Amino acid sequence: DAGVTQSPTHLIKTRGQQVTLRCSPISGHKSVSWYQQVLGQGPQFIFQYYEKEERGRGNFPDRFSARQFPNYSSELNVNALLLGDSALYLCASSLSGQGGFYEQYFGPGTRLTVT
Amino acid sequence: GEDVEQSLFLSVREGDSSVINCTYTDSSSTYLYWYKQEPGAGLQLLTYIFSNMDMKQDQRLTVLLNKKDKHLSLRIADTQTGDSAIYFCAEPDASGGSYIPTFGRGTSLIVHP
Repeated sequence: DAGVTQSPTHLIKTRGQQVTLRCSPISGHKSVSWYQQVLGQGPQFIFQYYEKEERGRGNFPDRFSARQFPNYSSELNVNALLLGDSALYLCASSLSGQGGFYEQYFGPGTRLTVT
Repeated sequence: GEDVEQSLFLSVREGDSSVINCTYTDSSSTYLYWYKQEPGAGLQLLTYIFSNMDMKQDQRLTVLLNKKDKHLSLRIADTQTGDSAIYFCAEPDASGGSYIPTFGRGTSLIVHP
C-alpha cells in the first residue's frame, strides 16, 4: 500500500503570493492533519480534518486554510505569504481522529521557500 | 497548554547506548510518543507508552516513564550509524477531543563510527 503522499516536493514562492499544498492519505484513512515545521523546531499543528469536517485548528492566522475532499485527500492553502512561512509542511493521516490513542502516518512533506 | 522540552543534541559512538530525555507538563496525558525523523523525511512513530506503564521495551528500544517528575526517556541499545536522526518526544493535546500530538524541539542524535 502507498503511504501518505504530498505534492509538490519543493516550492519557491514570492512574498504576497498564494500557495496550495496537496496531500493524499493512506487508503482507508479518514483523518488528515497538517503541521508546519520550521527549521530547528518540532512540528506545529495547523489543522485536522475528519470526514471532511474541521476537527481542530492550531494557533495560525486566517491566512491559513484547508479543506478535505470526499476521497479524503486534502489541500492546505496559505495566502499573502510571508518570509516566516518558509518551512516544511507535513501531512499526516490516521484511521480516525477522535479520542484515545491513534497512530498518525506522516508524509515526506513539502518544502516551501518564500523569497 | 502543553510544553515538551528536550535537549537539542546527543553524540555517541557506534555500539554505545544512547539516552534521550524529555520533560512534559500535562500530568493527565494518557500516553506519550517518540517519533524519529531522518534527514529529508517525514516523521515516523518509533514507539509509545501508556501512562499506566513505567517501562516499555521493544527490541533495542527502552522507554522509561517517571510520572511524578513528568520525565520520559528513550534508550537505544547498541546504537548504529543508521540511528542518526532527530528524535521527538510528543504528548497528546486532549483539548477538543482530537488528541493532537504536541512535539518538543527534537534531539539530534549523531552516531560516530
